[in-house]
Amino acid sequence: EPEVTQTPSHQVTQMGQEVILRCVPISNHLYFYWYRQILGQKVEFLVSFYNNEISEKSEIFDDQFSVERPDGSNFTLKIRSTKLEDSAMYFCASSEATTGNQPQHFGDGTRLSIL
Amino acid sequence: AQTVTQSQPEMSVQEAETVTLSCTYDTSENNYYLFWYKQPPSRQMILVIRQEAYKQQNATENRFSVNFQKAAKSFSLKISDSQLGDTAMYFCAFSQGAQKLVFGQGTRLTINP
Repeated sequence: EPEVTQTPSHQVTQMGQEVILRCVPISNHLYFYWYRQILGQKVEFLVSFYNNEISEKSEIFDDQFSVERPDGSNFTLKIRSTKLEDSAMYFCASSEATTGNQPQHFGDGTRLSIL
Repeated sequence: AQTVTQSQPEMSVQEAETVTLSCTYDTSENNYYLFWYKQPPSRQMILVIRQEAYKQQNATENRFSVNFQKAAKSFSLKISDSQLGDTAMYFCAFSQGAQKLVFGQGTRLTINP
């Protein structure tokens, strides 16, 4: 069964540095998402992306964050000038269509640790 | 804004027992979708079951079934004949089509041998 793949599985970065989290969505999917889960807390929506543009973003997704689909297969989340509170599990998800009949499929996540 | 509430932070049952996880949500919309996701210690997010709000029939997937009460805005998950592999964090989630998933706080379920 096709899967959403995320790399790296664990990223350790010094505070203030930039980090890029990578995702390869399922190939025929058109809608892409990033979520964040701080340790011990619930999963929070960051941003959704369709047709090469952001379709929705949360309050968390401020100017520090950006997303890109650079080559038609990868979907990246860039975090500039990282802060300690950015430490979290970051999940990428994709779905085939806009209806709930096509649920979001999640990757295994990238654990981001800011030192 | 939509909210999802899971009032049981932790639950524990013996293997082969039946367990029900509670979820309530708040929305003013009439058309929406509800999901249960499982997150085992490996940290993956795995879809367990989904329900369309316009369907009155409760969804079932093998040992997993839901009790969807639209008027009460309740969406509980029942796991029958629980297995050790069911040990995980379970998240209830709400969405409207391709919109974001809104998650509850999660219920940590432990199946004891």
